[in-house]
Amino acid sequence: DIQMTQSPSSLSASIGDRVTITCRASQNITSYLNWYQQKPGKAPKLLIYAASSLQSGVPARFSGSGSGTDFTLTISSLQPEDFATYYCQQTYSTPREYTFGQGTKLEIK
Amino acid sequence: QVQLVESGGGLVKPGGSLRLSCAASGFTFSDYYMSWIRQAPGKGLEWVSYINSSGSTIYYTDSVKGRFTISRDNAKNSLYLQMNSLRAEDTAVYYCARASRGGPGAYGMDVWGQGTTVTVSS
Repeated sequence: DIQMTQSPSSLSASIGDRVTITCRASQNITSYLNWYQQKPGKAPKLLIYAASSLQSGVPARFSGSGSGTDFTLTISSLQPEDFATYYCQQTYSTPREYTFGQGTKLEIK
Repeated sequence: QVQLVESGGGLVKPGGSLRLSCAASGFTFSDYYMSWIRQAPGKGLEWVSYINSSGSTIYYTDSVKGRFTISRDNAKNSLYLQMNSLRAEDTAVYYCARASRGGPGAYGMDVWGQGTTVTVSS
């Protein structure tokens, strides 16, 4: 199975900060990498698909990059509503193995 | 609007059964691949099961294989998860989710339900 490792596990930042979250795959997944945002008590929300494509309706301050095994999610200028947990997900293999990273909790400093 | 609504969760004893339902509206349900994804209390997301648009291709994560059965009724715009031989480790919020762009989910899950809570405890 492909393992996904996110770093850091948690992060404190301030409004207006630029924030980067990293996701590493245990093998080459080309660009089959998606990012989700989840707020407490809510369902996840798709932010980025195919490593760098912005999902419709998602603010442009969110961006994704990377290919192969190393990927990043960047928030260019943190807004109050961005404090949440972020998950990466690989979809390179069959749906049986669409694994998620362990999550990165973004908190207010 | 595009919506998924889960139901059927609850408290069940170890070894018991539950059937989760997910009602879809606002889109052509029969065009989309669907999945069940769960989240144990305080934990991350775990993909559980997947079914293609016609119901002919199904996958399960290893920990539920042989115990859970996914199905769909396109005439009723509904997705189901029959859960048997439940264990404490199945305790979680269960989400149904739609694969984006009409494919098998390679481009992520773009519509999620609000989740239904399953608690397995004696």
